Amino acid sequence: DVKVTQSSRYLVKRTGEKVFLECVQDMDHENMFWYRQDPGLGLRLIYFSYDVKMKEKGDIPEGYSVSREKKERFSLILESASTNQTSMYLCASSPPFGQRNTDTQYFGPGTRLTVL
Amino acid sequence: AQTVTQSQPEMSVQEAETVTLSCTYDTSENNYYLFWYKQPPSRQMILVIRQEAYKQQNATENRFSVNFQKAAKSFSLKISDSQLGDTAMYFCAFANDYKLSFGAGTTVTVRA
Repeated sequence: DVKVTQSSRYLVKRTGEKVFLECVQDMDHENMFWYRQDPGLGLRLIYFSYDVKMKEKGDIPEGYSVSREKKERFSLILESASTNQTSMYLCASSPPFGQRNTDTQYFGPGTRLTVL
Repeated sequence: AQTVTQSQPEMSVQEAETVTLSCTYDTSENNYYLFWYKQPPSRQMILVIRQEAYKQQNATENRFSVNFQKAAKSFSLKISDSQLGDTAMYFCAFANDYKLSFGAGTTVTVRA
């Protein structure tokens, strides 16, 4: 089974702090994604990466950056956390292009981030 | 981004009964994929069912089945013989070019 893990289930930070959210997958997936989940809005894509050191902006990239130095690890960075970034953050990965089910994403357990 | 609409914020169903969740989407694409994901209170998002748009046959997975109406851009999920473990938030999602667009979700509560 695909396993996607996230470094923290709960995180509390202060306004202005730099925050790192880590995601690791163990299935050699090329594609990795970061979403935020807010009530009534579903999941919204922040960034995704289709290869090491490659990244593309999603629908709401403002205030975030990402890093993918190794294939299995995809980090989300909040350079200066703000209260409006309090949310649930979900990481996902999907099989390489050309494989069956490349469109199917597998999710981590989520990180509940609170910015005070 | 594609638009996915789930018009039912909450639904409640008696154990062993059937419940149907609605989902509509807006796209000009012809080839795409549709999904239903389940997020139980433990928060791990789990894939429930997947439908390929070029297949006319509706997908089924045990007690879960979909009614895919491509012309109407509708993709409903039916949960038969509901169980307490089905209590969760359910998200409808659209995929094209490997990016997912999600609906706002429907919270399903199964009553004992």
